[in-house]
Amino acid sequence: GAGVSQSPSNKVTEKGKDVELRCDPISGHTALYWYRQSLGQGLEFLIYFQGNSAPDKSGLPSDRFSAERTGGSVSTLTIQRTQQEDSAVYLCASSPLPGGTGELFFGEGSRLTVL
Amino acid sequence: QKEVEQNSGPLSVPEGAIASLNCTYSDRGSQSFFWYRQYSGKSPELIMFIYSNGDKEDGRFTAQLNKASQYVSLLIRDSQPSDSATYLCAVNPGGTGANNLFFGTGTRLTVIP
Repeated sequence: GAGVSQSPSNKVTEKGKDVELRCDPISGHTALYWYRQSLGQGLEFLIYFQGNSAPDKSGLPSDRFSAERTGGSVSTLTIQRTQQEDSAVYLCASSPLPGGTGELFFGEGSRLTVL
Repeated sequence: QKEVEQNSGPLSVPEGAIASLNCTYSDRGSQSFFWYRQYSGKSPELIMFIYSNGDKEDGRFTAQLNKASQYVSLLIRDSQPSDSATYLCAVNPGGTGANNLFFGTGTRLTVIP
């Protein structure tokens, strides 16, 4: 596609349920990032992929969070046993360059609301 | 997380004035610096990047970097109402953190017509 695509755009779930958020990066972009943005806050780094591997998972807030990337393309962020504090916009970004050396292209985000 | 600090604002300037946005960072080894603009309800988009000390100009935008003071700024000349947005400073810390970009909380700018 022309840009980074994320789905769902909005997700409302009940506390304790699991959710999956999907990111389809720009074709050919090897680097993929997940960030979280709470209301009025900056972007909180979650995880970085280079190809299918995740050299840096240091930002994942707890073991309830996991992410994978397959085929060097689509990535899925999974949150198990959601909590109210997980409510945020989850942003995915891709880059043609490895690491934080170049421009990140962001998707429109997945807004998660945990009731 | 590496610390990137910004004044959250809001910063209000009249149309045609110069808007000055500031950012400080904690990791002295940081390598590269980015300014992103985020309109309300939208995702961030890159405005400028700077790697070397000094000024870098692109149209109405000038990025300034002072590594000794661990300070990076963005100047917007002839501010327009369409510049009203949140401006996010992002830093690549280099070293073991070179894969990441760490973002500040952003400064909300309002340009008053």
